[in-house]
Amino acid sequence: DAGVTQSPTHLIKTRGQQVTLRCSPKSGHDTVSWYQQALGQGPQFIFQYYEEEERQRGNFPDRFSGHQFPNYSSELNVNALLLGDSALYLCASSLRVGVAKNIQYFGAGTRLSVL
Amino acid sequence: GENVEQHPSTLSVQEGDSAVIKCTYSDSASNYFPWYKQELGKRPQLIIDIRSNVGEKKDQRIAVTLNKTAKHFSLHITETQPEDSAVYFCAASIASGGSYIPTFGRGTSLIVHP
Repeated sequence: DAGVTQSPTHLIKTRGQQVTLRCSPKSGHDTVSWYQQALGQGPQFIFQYYEEEERQRGNFPDRFSGHQFPNYSSELNVNALLLGDSALYLCASSLRVGVAKNIQYFGAGTRLSVL
Repeated sequence: GENVEQHPSTLSVQEGDSAVIKCTYSDSASNYFPWYKQELGKRPQLIIDIRSNVGEKKDQRIAVTLNKTAKHFSLHITETQPEDSAVYFCAASIASGGSYIPTFGRGTSLIVHP
């Protein structure tokens, strides 16, 4: 049973560019959440997708957008990259219902560096 | 919104000692409190969690306590081992729109010296 997988593992971009990060949830999970983890900080919630819709959103600008596909996989898009967007981007999947609902399982993350 | 404070930021212990990490939260509506362990370069992994209708939960060498009145919760690790060395994050979650959205603390770097 594959866990949460993210791609790519590392990415280097320059200011002003756009980036797309990808996430495949744990088998059987239907909800995907995205987090930004700056160096030495805890993960910060960006948004959550369920049934292909953005359900909850944290305090992030509209430059951050996402998508969920019918197979529950998800993408995070960031436009007009800033130096401050450099961070580890984590994807977490969970179940909406059931005994283990809302317990989040994290992927290994994508390390984004903006130069 | 929710605010989670975590202390200490660094904790250094000798192998076999106990380690305690403390967190406070601000929103009394929070009702789910997971703890994650993140080893260097690896994903955060859930190690234990507690819901607001429970005061204490134990899993082998790890225990978590919750004081809803004071709005604080703690992670206790007994008989620490070098492989316990990692960054530990607490989180407080509020149910919103059918899902729990966690707010994380800034993390505690635990170093266990052999």
